Amino acid sequence: AQSVTQPDIHITVSEGASLELRCNYSYGATPYLFWYVQSPGQGLQLLLKYFSGDTLVQGIKGFEAEFKRSQSSFNLRKPSVHWSDAAEYFCAVGLTDSWGKFQFGAGTQVVVTP
Amino acid sequence: DVKVTQSSRYLVKRTGEKVFLECVQDMDHENMFWYRQDPGLGLRLIYFSYDVKMKEKGDIPEGYSVSREKKERFSLILESASTNQTSMYLCASSTSWGLNTGELFFGEGSRLTVL
Repeated sequence: AQSVTQPDIHITVSEGASLELRCNYSYGATPYLFWYVQSPGQGLQLLLKYFSGDTLVQGIKGFEAEFKRSQSSFNLRKPSVHWSDAAEYFCAVGLTDSWGKFQFGAGTQVVVTP
Repeated sequence: DVKVTQSSRYLVKRTGEKVFLECVQDMDHENMFWYRQDPGLGLRLIYFSYDVKMKEKGDIPEGYSVSREKKERFSLILESASTNQTSMYLCASSTSWGLNTGELFFGEGSRLTVL
């Protein structure tokens, strides 16, 4: 069965420092990969997505992610974090052998300190 | 601007009540979803609809039903609410995979408390 693992439940980072959020997946078919962000009290917003091609993808708000097929990973990075990046981040796999369903990770809560 | 609108941001209901959560999208998307979000569990799929009047059970359909009579509207129904259904409910829509993107667009969520 498919699964998505975000090993870090909670990360604290200083403003201006770099951030990396890990995501590993298990899926038999070719995955579509996504990162979403959820600010407090809000729905989820797409940060970036990978379908094919260049394995390093750029997203909104200065985020990027790298797909590594050999490691079944899709880690999210930002070189310099801003206080407004405090939020919960979700990795998701699009199940390409279904009608359009997704499998989500449990999320990583990011706290930004001054 | 694309939009998924959930009718209620906050609801408080009593055990045994029937609860309707409404969701409308204005993007002419084929697919619509209802997720439940609980701390530490991420998003879990309750039901999924890939066309009008078509539905498919997700991972946790027990205690829920859905209705999709029009393409833009997808309703989640709790026939008899229970306290373990206290949660945040998120509606989303997307195109099908063959139409290039397939990403999910989310509403702002409906926080349901069952007393």
